[in-house]
Amino acid sequence: AQSVAQPEDQVNVAEGNPLTVKCTYSVSGNPYLFWYVQYPNRGLQFLLKYITGDNLVKGSYGFEAEFNKSQTSFHLKKPSALVSDSALYFCAVRDGNNAGNMLTFGGGTRLMVKP
Amino acid sequence: GAVVSQHPSWVICKSGTSVKIECRSLDFQATTMFWYRQFPKQSLMLMATSNEGSKATYEQGVEKDKFLINHASLTLSTLTVTSAHPEDSSFYICSARDLAGGPTDTQYFGPGTRLTVL
Repeated sequence: AQSVAQPEDQVNVAEGNPLTVKCTYSVSGNPYLFWYVQYPNRGLQFLLKYITGDNLVKGSYGFEAEFNKSQTSFHLKKPSALVSDSALYFCAVRDGNNAGNMLTFGGGTRLMVKP
Repeated sequence: GAVVSQHPSWVICKSGTSVKIECRSLDFQATTMFWYRQFPKQSLMLMATSNEGSKATYEQGVEKDKFLINHASLTLSTLTVTSAHPEDSSFYICSARDLAGGPTDTQYFGPGTRLTVL
């Protein structure tokens, strides 16, 4: 079985400060990791993914995430937060060795960026 | 690229009626589409996976006779909530995976449909 944990229900950060949204995962095969963002009453928008290669992945809107195999983590980061980054963020994992290849989502973390 | 649309975006219906939600991949072909349900302040719950031309695979606890899924073409899947009741009120989100992709491909999500059953 595969699972994703997002330990923080909410993260508060001041505009201009760096932000981190935490994610840890568990999967038996190769982890394929994804971050999505959801704005109110909207679907999920793809931010970035890690499949293989460089552990630091850069994505949309200045976000990046670092894959850490030993800590089974894939934390989302941004050097300087914007108020418009306030949204709900989901981390997801897929087992690359599993033919079913289902995405499993974390519980979500609400990011609040204050001016 | 990789746009997924849903229609309608918001629907209010009376208890006992049926509601159909459409999910379309606009600029790519999707052999596989997924239907999720999301309750307020909660994560997405996978309801079913549909493959073009075959029957959908439902997750445990999801009633296949209540949530009818049809994936008639590579760009269209529909979810019909039959005999809707107030407890079916929720945010329904579809997702599609690009035909050309393998296990590394990205799932793209529609904007969601908010269903309110009175």
